[in-house]
Amino acid sequence: QKEVEQDPGPLSVPEGAIVSLNCTYSNSAFQYFMWYRQYSRKGPELLMYTYSSGNKEDGRFTAQVDKSSKYISLFIRDSQPSDSATYLCVPKGTSYDKVIFGPGTSLSVIP
Amino acid sequence: GAGVSQSPRYKVAKRGQDVALRCDPISGHVSLFWYQQALGQGPEFLTYFQNEAQLDKSGLPSDRFFAERPEGSVSTLKIQRTQQEDSAVYLCASSTTRLVQAFFGQGTRLTVV
Repeated sequence: QKEVEQDPGPLSVPEGAIVSLNCTYSNSAFQYFMWYRQYSRKGPELLMYTYSSGNKEDGRFTAQVDKSSKYISLFIRDSQPSDSATYLCVPKGTSYDKVIFGPGTSLSVIP
Repeated sequence: GAGVSQSPRYKVAKRGQDVALRCDPISGHVSLFWYQQALGQGPEFLTYFQNEAQLDKSGLPSDRFFAERPEGSVSTLKIQRTQQEDSAVYLCASSTTRLVQAFFGQGTRLTVV
């Protein structure tokens, strides 16, 4: 079983839709949970990170972690065409662990 | 500069040729990473430096791949005798000692023909 599972998509939604991106992981030692966003022909950039379980909100983005089910979600409200990118979830055991990426989910927001 | 800089942005190599890819990390960042990203895939970890010490090279796919960071700043990823399967985007990232956030460069797109 891979450490991180993520539906690669592609996911296509109309502008203004609520988007839900999800990951599952297998290692119960993971404590840090990050979402990176990667635009076409660019390097990934950190979008949000949370520590342990719970929710974190930043503008239109909400990250949610459920450690009991090993499930990570990223919600995007009022999606915009500029949100079209690949979203990569990255769980880590400690802040000192290297960043290991899953396959990412490709999102297209159609105007 | 303010960000991670990689050069060249694009490289076309003939099969069997050696290539060298350069990464200039953010000034003062102790940690430096190299990743390989195939089309449609997430970045795959290659190797990790803390200052000049290469602490993890478990992701290097073969002994044709070699990375160095002799003075703890600029790093070079070298690929010897390139093969077609080496065609990918090579990403460099740097970070402070606490690795919560890694800052990525735009990558070098290598095409082996």
